[in-house]
Amino acid sequence: AQSVAQPEDQVNVAEGNPLTVKCTYSVSGNPYLFWYVQYPNRGLQFLLKYITGDNLVKGSYGFEAEFNKSQTSFHLKKPSALVSDSALYFCATLPNDYKLSFGAGTTVTVRA
Amino acid sequence: ETGVTQTPRHLVMGMTNKKSLKCEQHLGHNAMYWYKQSAKKPLELMFVYSLEERVENNSVPSRFSPECPNSSHLFLHLHTLQPEDSALYLCASSQESQNYGYTFGSGTRLTVV
Repeated sequence: AQSVAQPEDQVNVAEGNPLTVKCTYSVSGNPYLFWYVQYPNRGLQFLLKYITGDNLVKGSYGFEAEFNKSQTSFHLKKPSALVSDSALYFCATLPNDYKLSFGAGTTVTVRA
Repeated sequence: ETGVTQTPRHLVMGMTNKKSLKCEQHLGHNAMYWYKQSAKKPLELMFVYSLEERVENNSVPSRFSPECPNSSHLFLHLHTLQPEDSALYLCASSQESQNYGYTFGSGTRLTVV
């Protein structure tokens, strides 16, 4: 089965500090990987995706993610976190059946 | 707006009521999905429609009944729900065979009293 895992339920950082949200994948073949963000009482919003090409993918709101094949990871990063980045973040993969498989989610809290 | 619109945004219903959730997409996608998101639980895929045919029903109780009359509209009909059905119900759409992922609506917050 193709899946992703988010090892941290919660990440807490101070505003202005770097933010990293971890994701590892278990996918045969070439993985299609995604990050989504969910603000309170809202749907999921697409942040970025990796299909092929450069290992460093840039997305919305200043986020980026690095595809690391040797570590089977796709961590989400932001150099300087904002209080408004506080949200629930989901990593996902798209297997051959085109049904997105989500991780359990990581709650990010950025304190002022 | 993402191109996927869900109505209503909030719904409170009694256990004996019948109501429907509506989802509409204007993206030209050919697949639509219903997800249930409960507090402190992973996203649960409920139903998948591909080209207006239901292709997946993940052991969802019969008190939830989906309907996809055309490729742009998806409904979730609700009847005799239980309090544990209270959750955020998310609709999404995608273009199958493309690797662009899903576009989600803002969800309907359902409270069963």
